[in-house]
Amino acid sequence: DAKTTQPNSMESNEEEPVHLPCNHSTISGTDYIHWYRQLPSQGPEYVIHGLTSNVNNRMASLAIAEDRKSSTLILHRATLRDAAVYYCILRDAALFGNEKLTFGTGTRLTIIP
Amino acid sequence: DTGVSQNPRHKITKRGQNVTFRCDPISEHNRLYWYRQTLGQGPEFLTYFQNEAQLEKSRLLSDRFSAERPKGSFSTLEIQRTEQGDSAMYLCASSLEFGETQYFGPGTRLLVL
Repeated sequence: DAKTTQPNSMESNEEEPVHLPCNHSTISGTDYIHWYRQLPSQGPEYVIHGLTSNVNNRMASLAIAEDRKSSTLILHRATLRDAAVYYCILRDAALFGNEKLTFGTGTRLTIIP
Repeated sequence: DTGVSQNPRHKITKRGQNVTFRCDPISEHNRLYWYRQTLGQGPEFLTYFQNEAQLEKSRLLSDRFSAERPKGSFSTLEIQRTEQGDSAMYLCASSLEFGETQYFGPGTRLLVL
């Protein structure tokens, strides 16, 4: 599995936008970029995913670099409930049967009131 | 809409005892996954089922671990002769099909004394 690199921790002020970076320099052409987050004492929760184009949903936006070697998860207006560990995961859609998600250690996001 | 449920939420046991956890996936999801998460780490894949068939097992799943999914509905994960190193959060997830979003349950936290 291609590897991702994320900062261990980040802080952001409440109601400000947050940009969470992820580097994946060995990404393959069929790797989708997935983001999950894990709130304290809960299981991981899907946030967003994309392949090449930027993606938006009600939770966040995903900006993917043109060379696909990095991506950024954008929370447009952070709230205290967004404090969580955010995981950037690559998943090869071409490998049928490659079912597992390979989590790293993620980025612990702290929101400052 | 009920999500993935797991029982029990917490389990404390003595070394050498057997424990069993249950996972109820989202209705009609034919994929079911088990992950393990230790403190400060991201979840690690253990095994997954497509309906009642167990299709992949991680090397983390030693002979003391067994998982079943009779009739393709709920799943159980049993750990025999527990060791202190088994202390972790055991997470279950389900998805509708290959490549679809995995939805996680709240996890079962196991402490082996």
